[in-house]
Amino acid sequence: DAKTTQPNSMESNEEEPVHLPCNHSTISGTDYIHWYRQLPSQGPEYVIHGLTSNVNNRMASLAIAEDRKSSTLILHRATLRDAAVYYCILRDLNSGYALNFGKGTSLLVTP
Amino acid sequence: DAGITQSPRHKVTETGTPVTLRCHQTENHRYMYWYRQDPGHGLRLIHYSYGVKDTDKGEVSDGYSVSRSKTEDFLLTLESATSSQTSVYFCAISTTVGTAVEQYFGPGTRLTVT
Repeated sequence: DAKTTQPNSMESNEEEPVHLPCNHSTISGTDYIHWYRQLPSQGPEYVIHGLTSNVNNRMASLAIAEDRKSSTLILHRATLRDAAVYYCILRDLNSGYALNFGKGTSLLVTP
Repeated sequence: DAGITQSPRHKVTETGTPVTLRCHQTENHRYMYWYRQDPGHGLRLIHYSYGVKDTDKGEVSDGYSVSRSKTEDFLLTLESATSSQTSVYFCAISTTVGTAVEQYFGPGTRLTVT
């Protein structure tokens, strides 16, 4: 799978929007962009995924650049419960189901 | 939570002893995984299974073996535990929902090797 680059950490104020960036300049045409997050003392959980178009679900939005070399996970209104490590992962549908989690971005949310 | 349990949840063992961690799922998923998580390294894949008796190595498989004799159970064995294997171990299953690969994780096992 192609590699992703994320900032080690970010900080946000509660109730403010948060934009978590991810660079994936070597992404291939068949790579899907997945985002997971890991709350303290828990295993990771799925957040959202996309291929080319922007995606929305109840947890977040995913904005994908037109050239697909970067993407941004958007939390529209951060809460204290959103403090977690966020992982941006590329997965090729043809490469099996294992995911390469990398180190992710640690998001701190302050009241 | 996809019905995933891990046992034990915590274990302290001595260097050189064998250790087996168990992952149990109740929803008949074909794919199961063992990861370890250490500070500064994120999650790293140890072994995975794609069916009964079908397993393969991940990124950090040295010193670990696995077995899957039933769909619902995936065992991770440390034949002779070392201090470098002190870690939090997560089991996961995966399922596809459309084009998404969704992995669901167990609660984790904290292993300390002294």
